[in-house]
Amino acid sequence: DVKVTQSSRYLVKRTGEKVFLECVQDMDHENMFWYRQDPGLGLRLIYFSYDVKMKEKGDIPEGYSVSREKKERFSLILESASTNQTSMYLCASSLVDNRAYEQYFGPGTRLTVT
Amino acid sequence: GDSVTQMEGPVTLSEEAFLTINCTYTATGYPSLFWYVQYPGEGLQLLLKATKADDKGSNKGFEATYRKETTSFHLEKGSVQVSDSAVYFCASIKAAGNKLTFGGGTRVLVKP
Repeated sequence: DVKVTQSSRYLVKRTGEKVFLECVQDMDHENMFWYRQDPGLGLRLIYFSYDVKMKEKGDIPEGYSVSREKKERFSLILESASTNQTSMYLCASSLVDNRAYEQYFGPGTRLTVT
Repeated sequence: GDSVTQMEGPVTLSEEAFLTINCTYTATGYPSLFWYVQYPGEGLQLLLKATKADDKGSNKGFEATYRKETTSFHLEKGSVQVSDSAVYFCASIKAAGNKLTFGGGTRVLVKP
């Protein structure tokens, strides 16, 4: 069974802390994505990666960075967490061919910044 | 840019009622269209898809038809169950693209 796992389900951090969110997929997918999910706004793409060490900004990259050193792992980094980054963060992966729409999602990390 | 608009929820229904969730899109060219579902405490999963005009996607009793003339992809189910309680997301992707554009999500609550 395909699987995308995220390092934490719930996380509480203080303003100004550096935060790492980890995502691992076991499907050998080329594409990996980070979204944030907020009520009424749906999912908004933060960053995505189409290969190791390759990344591309999504719609809301400000305040975030990413790292992809290995194909199966994609990390989202909040350099200095702020309260407006309190949200649900979802990781996803997909193949790079014409089934790129079939994204497999992790269970999400609910981050609270106080 | 591309966008997807879906009706706001929550939608509250009784078991065995008919469900419709409206979705419209704006896009250049001919995108593929999808419905994703998010059950409580879980990530999203693909529910159904349609890749060209007049295609009908179906799964688990849900259906949606790609209507180019009205740029719509409404989700329907004839008889909902309590287990259908979830958040439903409409999404689009450009041909040869790899980034989905999501609607805001519609929460559906089915009461016994």
